Amino acid sequence: KNEVEQSPQNLTAQEGEFITINCSYSVGISALHWLQQHPGGGIVSLFMLSSGKKKHGRLIATINIQEKHSSLHITASHPRDSAVYICAVSSAAGNKLTFGGGTRVLVKP
Amino acid sequence: EAGVAQSPRYKIIEKRQSVAFWCNPISGHATLYWYQQILGQGPKLLIQFQNNGVVDDSQLPKDRFSAERLKGVDSTLKIQPAKLEDSAVYLCASSLVTGFQTQYFGPGTRLLVL
Repeated sequence: KNEVEQSPQNLTAQEGEFITINCSYSVGISALHWLQQHPGGGIVSLFMLSSGKKKHGRLIATINIQEKHSSLHITASHPRDSAVYICAVSSAAGNKLTFGGGTRVLVKP
Repeated sequence: EAGVAQSPRYKIIEKRQSVAFWCNPISGHATLYWYQQILGQGPKLLIQFQNNGVVDDSQLPKDRFSAERLKGVDSTLKIQPAKLEDSAVYLCASSLVTGFQTQYFGPGTRLLVL
């Protein structure tokens, strides 16, 4: 079993729909990261959080430390949100990232 | 502020050949990471440098992969000889220091081994 599991693996939505991506982890962490990877492009950090909730524009990230679970929400989705979204956790010592397999999101106009 | 630079962006080689990738991190970033990302999977850490010292290379296949960061700035990752299963995107990232820090990723080098 992978230390970081994401679901779903693939997601297709119509423009304007609300999207949720889930991430579960099985190890102790110091922080959880949500990253975005566009086709052929590098990886961009969206959020780094260790508790509660963060919001940036149409993106919202939440984490439940007790349940070892995080969600990334995209409100009013747009075709430019099409990308792979990756969940990663920093080890308890903070010096190592472990990545989930990513969720491929396609938003159709 | 310039981002993490990598070259080449694409490389096609035949198995058993050698290949080298170059990374220039963000100026002032002490920590540099090399990741391997196989299609459809998340990145896997190959090696982590703190300045010019190796912090973690536990998942680096040392029989064929090597990396160096001699002056604590830019870094090279080499594969010699390459195997078919080495086909992947090789990502370089940097952070200001090790620990609770955001990592900044380069665009990656896409390697295809035929």
